[in-house]
Amino acid sequence: DIQMTQSPSSLSASVGDRVTITCRASQSISSYLNWYQQKPGKAPKVLIYAASSLQSGVPSRFSGSGSGTDFTLTISSLQPEDFATYYCQQTYSTPPWTFGQGTKVEIK
Amino acid sequence: QVQLVESGGGLVKPGGSLRLSCAASGFTFSDYYMNWIRQAPGKGLEWVSYISSSGRTISYADSVKGRFTISRDNAKNSLYLQINSLRAEDTAVYYCARDNRIHVGHWFDPWGQGTLVTVSS
Repeated sequence: DIQMTQSPSSLSASVGDRVTITCRASQSISSYLNWYQQKPGKAPKVLIYAASSLQSGVPSRFSGSGSGTDFTLTISSLQPEDFATYYCQQTYSTPPWTFGQGTKVEIK
Repeated sequence: QVQLVESGGGLVKPGGSLRLSCAASGFTFSDYYMNWIRQAPGKGLEWVSYISSSGRTISYADSVKGRFTISRDNAKNSLYLQINSLRAEDTAVYYCARDNRIHVGHWFDPWGQGTLVTVSS
């Protein structure tokens, strides 16, 4: 199975900060990488698919990059509604389609 | 609007069974692969199972293989997960999610609100 490792596991940031979360795959997954946001008590919501494609309706301050084994989610200017947990997910080839362990973004 | 609504969760004793349902609306259900994903309390996301649009192709996580059965009824716009031989470690919120596929990949969207399964004596 492909393992997904996110870093950091948590971070504290202020409104307006630029935030970067990284995700590393245990083997090459091309661009089969998605990013989700989850707020407490809510279902996850997709932000980025295929490594860098912004889901319709998602603010442009979110962006994704990378290919192969190393990927990045960037929030260009953190907003109050962005405090949440973020997960990467690989959907390369056959299942299981694994998630990273999550990165919790908290208010500094 | 596109919507998924899960039901069927609850408190069950170890070794017991439950059938989870996911009702879809707002899209042509029979065109899409579907997934179940779970999240143990305070933990991350774990993909559980998927089923193709026709129901002919199915896959499971190793952790549930042989105990869980995914199925669908396209006439009823519904997805199901039969969960048997429940263990404490199966305690989780279970989400259904639509699988969106294009040539460059696939992703889960939308997700239902989730249904909580608690396994305890």
